[in-house]
Amino acid sequence: DVKVTQSSRYLVKRTGEKVFLECVQDMDHENMFWYRQDPGLGLRLIYFSYDVKMKEKGDIPEGYSVSREKKERFSLILESASTNQTSMYLCASSRTSGRRDEQFFGPGTRLTVL
Amino acid sequence: SQQGEEDPQALSIQEGENATMNCSYKTSINNLQWYRQNSGRGLVHLILIRSNEREKHSGRLRVTLDTSKKSSSLLITASRAADTASYFCATRIKGGSEKLVFGKGTKLTVNP
Repeated sequence: DVKVTQSSRYLVKRTGEKVFLECVQDMDHENMFWYRQDPGLGLRLIYFSYDVKMKEKGDIPEGYSVSREKKERFSLILESASTNQTSMYLCASSRTSGRRDEQFFGPGTRLTVL
Repeated sequence: SQQGEEDPQALSIQEGENATMNCSYKTSINNLQWYRQNSGRGLVHLILIRSNEREKHSGRLRVTLDTSKKSSSLLITASRAADTASYFCATRIKGGSEKLVFGKGTKLTVNP
């Protein structure tokens, strides 16, 4: 059974802390994505990666960075957390375009920044 | 930027009734996908329809695509309480990268 896992379901951090969100997939997918989801705004893409060490900015990259040192792992980093980064963070992965084009999602990390 | 916009934002029906959700988008697409999200969880892929297809079925799901109107609909027949969830459309833009652009979702409640 295919799987995307995220390091924490719930996380509480303080303003100014450096925060790491980890995502691991076991499907050998080339592409990995980080989204944030807020009420009334839907899913917004923060960053995505189409290969190891490769990354591309999404729609809202400000305040975030990412790291992909291994194919199965994609990390989202909040360099200095702020209260407006309180949100649900969703990781996803997909195969590079083919017949099966869907993204597989992790369970999400609900981050609260105090 | 939001490519897909779902309509309605919320829908409440009785078990056994059909539920129809619509999605409109702005630019040419390669495919359109529908996802489901149970409260507080990740999204699960339901069905994909390609730009050269007009209709697709999967179990109780029926998806239509009208590229001339830039719109799609998702029909869930004979709904069950377990169908209660949020439903999102997502588009892969033609000539774009591997990313999908998601709408804001329709929150469906099926009352027993």
